[in-house]
Amino acid sequence: DIQMTQSPSSLSASVGDRVTITCRASQSISTYLNWYQQKPGKAPNLLIYTASSLQSGVPSRFSGSGSGTDFTLTISSLQPEDFATYHCQQTYSTPYTFGQGTKLEIK
Amino acid sequence: EVQLVESGGALVQPGGSLRLSCAASGFTFSSNWMHWVRQAPGKGLVWVSRMSSDGSSTNYADSVKGRFTISRDNVKNTLYLQMNSLRDEDTAVYYCARGYKYAFDIWGQGTMVTVSS
Repeated sequence: DIQMTQSPSSLSASVGDRVTITCRASQSISTYLNWYQQKPGKAPNLLIYTASSLQSGVPSRFSGSGSGTDFTLTISSLQPEDFATYHCQQTYSTPYTFGQGTKLEIK
Repeated sequence: EVQLVESGGALVQPGGSLRLSCAASGFTFSSNWMHWVRQAPGKGLVWVSRMSSDGSSTNYADSVKGRFTISRDNVKNTLYLQMNSLRDEDTAVYYCARGYKYAFDIWGQGTMVTVSS
């Protein structure tokens, strides 16, 4: 199975900050990497698919990059509604594995 | 409106069975791979299973292989997960999700399965 490791596991930041979350795969996954946002008690919401494609309706302050084993999610200017948990996921091969999540909290 | 609505979650004893349903609406259900993903309380997301658009192909996580069965009815626009021989560690919120462009773009609200004596 492909292991996905996110860092950091938690992060404190302020409104307006630029934030970067990283995700590393245990083997090359090309660009089959997705990012989801999840708020407490809610289902995940797709933000970025295939490493860098912005899902329809997602604000342009979210961006993704990377290929192979190393990927990043960047939020250019944090808004109050962005405080949530972020998950990366590989869909290169089954079982489709997720990272452990990064909890983004208000500083 | 494109949506998925899960149902069937319940409290069940270890060794018991449960069938989850996921009703789809607002899109052509028969065109998409569908997935089940679970999340234990306070934990991360875990992919459980997937089924191809026509139902001919399935895959499972090792942790549920041989115990869970995914199926679909493209006339009723419904995805199912039959769960047998349930264990404490199967306790989780179960989500169904639509596959699209190598990602999961639509998720249901989730249904809670609790395995406990």
